[in-house]
Amino acid sequence: GNSVTQMEGPVTLSEEAFLTINCTYTATGYPSLFWYVQYPGEGLQLLLKATKADDKGSNKGFEATYRKETTSFHLEKGSVQVSDSAVYFCALNLWGRDDKIIFGKGTRLHILP
Amino acid sequence: SQTIHQWPATLVQPVGSPLSLECTVEGTSNPNLYWYRQAAGRGLQLLFYSVGIGQISSEVPQNLSASRPQDRQFILSSKKLLLSDSGFYLCAWSVSTGEQYFGPGTRLTVT
Repeated sequence: GNSVTQMEGPVTLSEEAFLTINCTYTATGYPSLFWYVQYPGEGLQLLLKATKADDKGSNKGFEATYRKETTSFHLEKGSVQVSDSAVYFCALNLWGRDDKIIFGKGTRLHILP
Repeated sequence: SQTIHQWPATLVQPVGSPLSLECTVEGTSNPNLYWYRQAAGRGLQLLFYSVGIGQISSEVPQNLSASRPQDRQFILSSKKLLLSDSGFYLCAWSVSTGEQYFGPGTRLTVT
């Protein structure tokens, strides 16, 4: 079936460190891929997306590249800040009429000052 | 621009009491609408989705129900709450561009 697997957290880094959160997927067809971020006590916000192979999504210094050959969509940021502390969800959409999204379980990120 | 509202923001209810959570979307027409639940420290569970007025699909059997009385209004209800209904309830919308957009959520505590 269709699924998303992301690295379990929590991930703890120091400010200005390099961040990678791994995400791999299993899907029939050609999904769109997303990263969402959830700050404490809030709803999810779309961080970035990619709709086809080799697309790179980017926003707020975060990047992720749609790798069809490795079925991956790893999230990266060159220099994290304390304000990046949040839960990050990798997700995919298979483009049915219902637009349902399959989410990973989330990775909690702590950035230490 | 589009906005999504949820209320109330927080709710504390005794076991066995009824529930009504409301979600409204502004700035778009005929959106798909979704209700999710997020238990403490856990991922997202899709509860219901709707592709149009009066059209509701349930993802998991439970004592919750959903209704869509208007194009941009989505209501989550229960006749009798259980302790296990506690959680963070999120409403979301999409318009067939692939991504979903989420509301601010309702924190429900059943005591």
